[in-house]
Amino acid sequence: EIVLTQSPDSLSLSPGERATLSCRASQSINSNYLAWYQQKPGQAPRLLIYEASGRAAGVPDRVSGSGSGTDFVLTISGLEPEDSAVYFCQQYGNSPRTFGQGTRIEIK
Amino acid sequence: QVHLVQSGAEVKKPGASVTLSCKASGYSFTDYAIHWVRQAPGQRLEWVGWINAANGNAKYSQKFQGRLTITRDTSATTAYMVLGSLRPEDTAVYYCARVPLFGVALGAFDFWAQGTMITVSS
Repeated sequence: EIVLTQSPDSLSLSPGERATLSCRASQSINSNYLAWYQQKPGQAPRLLIYEASGRAAGVPDRVSGSGSGTDFVLTISGLEPEDSAVYFCQQYGNSPRTFGQGTRIEIK
Repeated sequence: QVHLVQSGAEVKKPGASVTLSCKASGYSFTDYAIHWVRQAPGQRLEWVGWINAANGNAKYSQKFQGRLTITRDTSATTAYMVLGSLRPEDTAVYYCARVPLFGVALGAFDFWAQGTMITVSS
């Protein structure tokens, strides 16, 4: 199965700064079927990005995804207090679907 | 407005079975699949299995083969997951999530339920 490794494990940034999160796959992901999700404490995960760079409905354009093959990046510009959460990647191009371990963003 | 509502938390003894439900509303049930995912304490999310709500075909992670059954009732717009031969390591929060069968965000988990805590303990 494909192993997804996210880095860093956590980030502490100030409002207005940019967050860059990495997700590296142990092998190439078919059709760049890589998604990013946001999860806040006590809440269900929320889809942010699909197919590596497609923005889900209602997601602000300061959130963007890029990458292909084995290396993917989630970028959140102009950080706001509401962005404090855990972000995880998921590949759904190969069976079984697998998830990264998550990156926690703290807004100072 | 899309809603996925799961059944409540359960405590089970080792060897028992548990049935979880995932009630869908606010969208066309048969245009989507329902996937089940779990997260054990301190662990990353783990895919369990899924069902095509349109035709009822289900597929399971090899890890759960033989003790997992996923079904759906289209009239009740509800998906069910039955996990048997429970072990303490099955203790986790179980989520159901909706996945488009076609169109935008095909294959991605575009809406999740709130999760159900299953505790397996003697």
